[in-house]
Amino acid sequence: EAQVTQNPRYLITVTGKKLTVTCSQNMNHEYMSWYRQDPGLGLRQIYYSMNVEVTDKGDVPEGYKVSRKEKRNFPLILESPSPNQTSLYFCASSLLTSSNEQFFGPGTRLTVL
Amino acid sequence: GDSVTQMEGPVTLSEEAFLTINCTYTATGYPSLFWYVQYPGEGLQLLLKATKADDKGSNKGFEATYRKETTSFHLEKGSVQVSDSAVYFCALVSGGYQKVTFGIGTKLQVIP
Repeated sequence: EAQVTQNPRYLITVTGKKLTVTCSQNMNHEYMSWYRQDPGLGLRQIYYSMNVEVTDKGDVPEGYKVSRKEKRNFPLILESPSPNQTSLYFCASSLLTSSNEQFFGPGTRLTVL
Repeated sequence: GDSVTQMEGPVTLSEEAFLTINCTYTATGYPSLFWYVQYPGEGLQLLLKATKADDKGSNKGFEATYRKETTSFHLEKGSVQVSDSAVYFCALVSGGYQKVTFGIGTKLQVIP
C-alpha cells in the first residue's frame, strides 16, 4: 500500500530534550516536506527536500533540522525543543512535477512541557 | 511571496445545502491550485486540483474552477452531506522550487 508513515504519532517531552520524528514513504517520491498545523494559522511549511542531500527552508524553519540521506526517509529533528513547538506535525511527499499532489502522513502530535 | 486567503469558519450548513468556500491567491507565474480535505484525526488528502487557467477540478461532487482574472479557486458543492464535515485547505504550488503554500483551512460542519 502506498503510504507515508510517521513515528511517533504522539509525543510528550520536556524543554531541551532532543527528539526526532521519523517520516518514511514507499512511493519513490523525490519531494518531501514537513509542516506544522496550529489553530488559526493553518499549515506552515518547515523544511522541504527536492531529492537526496537537497533540503531547503520553508516558512518556519527556526528550531528545526532535517536530513535527507535516503530517498524514502526525511526525519525532523528538534535539538532543543521549546513549548512554542507544541503542535501537530505532518510529513508529506510527492513526485517532482508542476502539478504535484502531496501525500500526507497521519500526523504527530507533539507536546513540549 | 505567495499567499492563499480563505475564511477560517466554521461554516455550518444543513444537509443538502449548497456550499461555497472562497479561495483567492497571489503568486508569481502560473501556479497549480489544489483543494485538500482533512477529516477529524487524519492527515490531509487531495480533493481536487487544476493546473492552468479555466481548468475545472472535480471530485466527489465538489468542483472548483481556476480563474486567473480574479486569482480565485472557489470550492463548491451542490448538496452537502454530514460526511462532508471536515477542514478544507486551499493550496498552490508555483515556480520551479515546488514550494507549497496553504491557506489557513476552513472548517465545515454539516448538521442533519
